[in-house]
Amino acid sequence: EAQVTQNPRYLITVTGKKLTVTCSQNMNHEYMSWYRQDPGLGLRQIYYSMNVEVTDKGDVPEGYKVSRKEKRNFPLILESPSPNQTSLYFCASSTGQGWPGELFFGEGSRLTVL
Amino acid sequence: AQTVTQSQPEMSVQEAETVTLSCTYDTSESDYYLFWYKQPPSRQMILVIRQEAYKQQNATENRFSVNFQKAAKSFSLKISDSQLGDAAMYFCAYRSAGAGSYQLTFGKGTKLSVIP
Repeated sequence: EAQVTQNPRYLITVTGKKLTVTCSQNMNHEYMSWYRQDPGLGLRQIYYSMNVEVTDKGDVPEGYKVSRKEKRNFPLILESPSPNQTSLYFCASSTGQGWPGELFFGEGSRLTVL
Repeated sequence: AQTVTQSQPEMSVQEAETVTLSCTYDTSESDYYLFWYKQPPSRQMILVIRQEAYKQQNATENRFSVNFQKAAKSFSLKISDSQLGDAAMYFCAYRSAGAGSYQLTFGKGTKLSVIP
């Protein structure tokens, strides 16, 4: 089954404790991206990657890191989480440019930073 | 940069009735793609319908259809015969069709309630 898998789905952590949210897709997609969703703000892009070893900042990259060492994986790293990073996070992938180009989303990771 | 605006934060519809969700976007490009995503309480983001800008014909997927007005930069979603399972957050999204364009820009969403 074609899917984007994120882990963990739920996480409660404390300020400053490094954490990683993993993301893996099995569709051989070139493009992968991370979004955060906050009430009233919609989905905002954190980082994206157009291919292996190619990453770039989205709209809200501060406090986050990513890496793309393999095509299928795109982990999101919070080196020193803060309470303002409490949010719902989505990983997504797509084939890249051209039609149809829609994003396939993971199921979301609810992160709480105390 | 492109922007997507959903002017209705919340809407409600009676079961079996029809509802239209609004979306407008701002772009200087002539070729692009538009999408509607649904996010039910389960949080999963589900593609509802998509439209290519150069196609005049409005896209339709079962009970879901769009009214695409390119000149007005409007992309509304019509849900016919609304069902309880249609209750969700709906997001409109824009993507350039240009070479090297991968990113989707989302609106802030419209929360749809379905009244039994």
